[in-house]
Amino acid sequence: AQTVTQSQPEMSVQEAETVTLSCTYDTSENNYYLFWYKQPPSRQMILVIRQEAYKQQNATENRFSVNFQKAAKSFSLKISDSQLGDTAMYFCAFQPYTNAGKSTFGDGTTLTVKP
Amino acid sequence: ETGVTQSPTHLIKTRGQQVTLRCSSQSGHNTVSWYQQALGQGPQFIFQYYREEENGRGNFPPRFSGLQFPNYSSELNVNALELDDSALYLCASSLSPGELFFGEGSRLTVL
Repeated sequence: AQTVTQSQPEMSVQEAETVTLSCTYDTSENNYYLFWYKQPPSRQMILVIRQEAYKQQNATENRFSVNFQKAAKSFSLKISDSQLGDTAMYFCAFQPYTNAGKSTFGDGTTLTVKP
Repeated sequence: ETGVTQSPTHLIKTRGQQVTLRCSSQSGHNTVSWYQQALGQGPQFIFQYYREEENGRGNFPPRFSGLQFPNYSSELNVNALELDDSALYLCASSLSPGELFFGEGSRLTVL
């Protein structure tokens, strides 16, 4: 069974600053995806960024980037130039290649961006 | 392209009742998964349907059951409701391994 741990229940950052959210996971799988999802208050969850385990290069999507350390089973999210709209709960999730719908989620980090 | 839609958005039930939640998957997606999200926690996998067959189940009792229809829409049924079943129920669709596309969820309150 896989587990995903997010050790920071809450974080805050000033607008325009940079913040890093941590995630560690445990698995015996070799091929998998890792995701960061964003869930704004009372709104649906959307994908922020994804990483395929076989790719050594860290994924980047505009202001969002990850630091993927496969051997350490670590997958952190860096948000640069934080914006007020980034305020949300962020979930780290693991999905094995072998099962399209079954993702294991961490308990989330609530991020507040302050003006 | 139509996204994932869920109904109802909110509902209140009493202990022992039964509930049916509905989900329309994103156009072209043949896999639907259901998740339970308790307040302040991450989503927990309930089960997944692929082409009308259950294809994976999490640690939930048999009173949680589901269906997928030929158009890939899906239902989640919960019998004999308990207070701990109060949660946000999320439906997600996907076409292949990778990103899940979520609906806005159905918030169930059990009194």
